[in-house]
Amino acid sequence: AQSVTQLDSQVPVFEEAPVELRCNYSSSVSVYLFWYVQYPNQGLQLLLKYLSGSTLVKGINGFEAEFNKSQTSFHLRKPSVHISDTAEYFCAVSDYSEGGSYIPTFGRGTSLIVHP
Amino acid sequence: DVKVTQSSRYLVKRTGEKVFLECVQDMDHENMFWYRQDPGLGLRLIYFSYDVKMKEKGDIPEGYSVSREKKERFSLILESASTNQTSMYLCASSLIRGQYQETQYFGPGTRLLVL
Repeated sequence: AQSVTQLDSQVPVFEEAPVELRCNYSSSVSVYLFWYVQYPNQGLQLLLKYLSGSTLVKGINGFEAEFNKSQTSFHLRKPSVHISDTAEYFCAVSDYSEGGSYIPTFGRGTSLIVHP
Repeated sequence: DVKVTQSSRYLVKRTGEKVFLECVQDMDHENMFWYRQDPGLGLRLIYFSYDVKMKEKGDIPEGYSVSREKKERFSLILESASTNQTSMYLCASSLIRGQYQETQYFGPGTRLLVL
């Protein structure tokens, strides 16, 4: 089974500064990677995903992530954050289950706190 | 847009009570999931279902059971609630199995407090 490590539990940053949220996964032949965001008192929603092709993936709200196979990483970046980006961010990796479905394994989450 | 709804946003129950959490999705998704979310632990999979009447244990199934009698509805049951089951419970659904691009769509969550 896959494992996902989000290296920072909390990332404080000032508004309009750049940010990087780090994610590393255990190695596998086929990897499908996701970033989800959870705003306060809401469920999770997809930010972006990597399935194949270009290693630079663009998502919603100006976020992007880069798949690095040699470093088994999928770090999330934004060049200039807004107060509204304050949320919990989860990295997830899909793994193949015996039942024939790709079951995601989630990291523990990174709390992004944007200060004015 | 996919919509996943959960029967309650907040629940307060007593130790030993039987608790039902219900989840409904309106996009004909095959897969449905139940997670619990705790601070510092992220999301942990309790059970998932890839078809009606089919279920598979996740990482932490102890103390829980599930029911999927209809495709759109997936219920989580706490047979005898305990205080260590106080948590946020999230339901999710996704497209049919075998498709790797399985983006999950989440409900808003049910915050359960067991006294």
